[in-house]
Amino acid sequence: EDQVTQSPEALRLQEGESSSLNCSYTVSGLRGLFWYRQDPGKGPEFLFTLYSAGEEKEKERLKATLTKKESFLHITAPKPEDSATYLCAVQARGGYQKVTFGIGTKLQVIP
Amino acid sequence: DTGVSQDPRHKITKRGQNVTFRCDPISEHNRLYWYRQTLGQGPEFLTYFQNEAQLEKSRLLSDRFSAERPKGSFSTLEIQRTEQGDSAMYLCASSLSEGLYGYTFGSGTRLTVV
Repeated sequence: EDQVTQSPEALRLQEGESSSLNCSYTVSGLRGLFWYRQDPGKGPEFLFTLYSAGEEKEKERLKATLTKKESFLHITAPKPEDSATYLCAVQARGGYQKVTFGIGTKLQVIP
Repeated sequence: DTGVSQDPRHKITKRGQNVTFRCDPISEHNRLYWYRQTLGQGPEFLTYFQNEAQLEKSRLLSDRFSAERPKGSFSTLEIQRTEQGDSAMYLCASSLSEGLYGYTFGSGTRLTVV
């Protein structure tokens, strides 16, 4: 059974205070690891897909990295508008479309 | 195209009643997914359509749940004989091809069973 564990569950940062969110995963052959952002009352919004260990992707103040067992979402100099829940998810090889999500990290950035 | 639309946004129903939700995906997306999300949890996979064919269904999905996608356009998710444990946000998502490029999610239908 695929598993995704995210830590911390909640994180409070001052504006400009950089930090990292962790996603540990167990999957029988990784096809893709995803990061999504979810605002309250809305559906998740796609951020990145990572396919193999060593891969990195960036978007504005966000940078996602991947190893064989975990992924990190680095947030550089966050702003209050970065406040949201960040979800990590994995899809296994084998042709299945099911994506397994973690419970997310709720990020609050204080001005 | 304004994205993935879900209707209704909120639904309150009495235990034992049947409910149906609708999802209109992005028009050019041939793949459609239903997920369920409870408070403080991540989305949980329910089912997947490619065009009109339902190709994948979660083992956790009870027989009270059924989904359709006639003509490969909009989709409906029906829950029969609702139970309090069915209370959740039901999310629909669509993608153009392989979901590796990310899904586009709707804002969901929040179901409350009283």
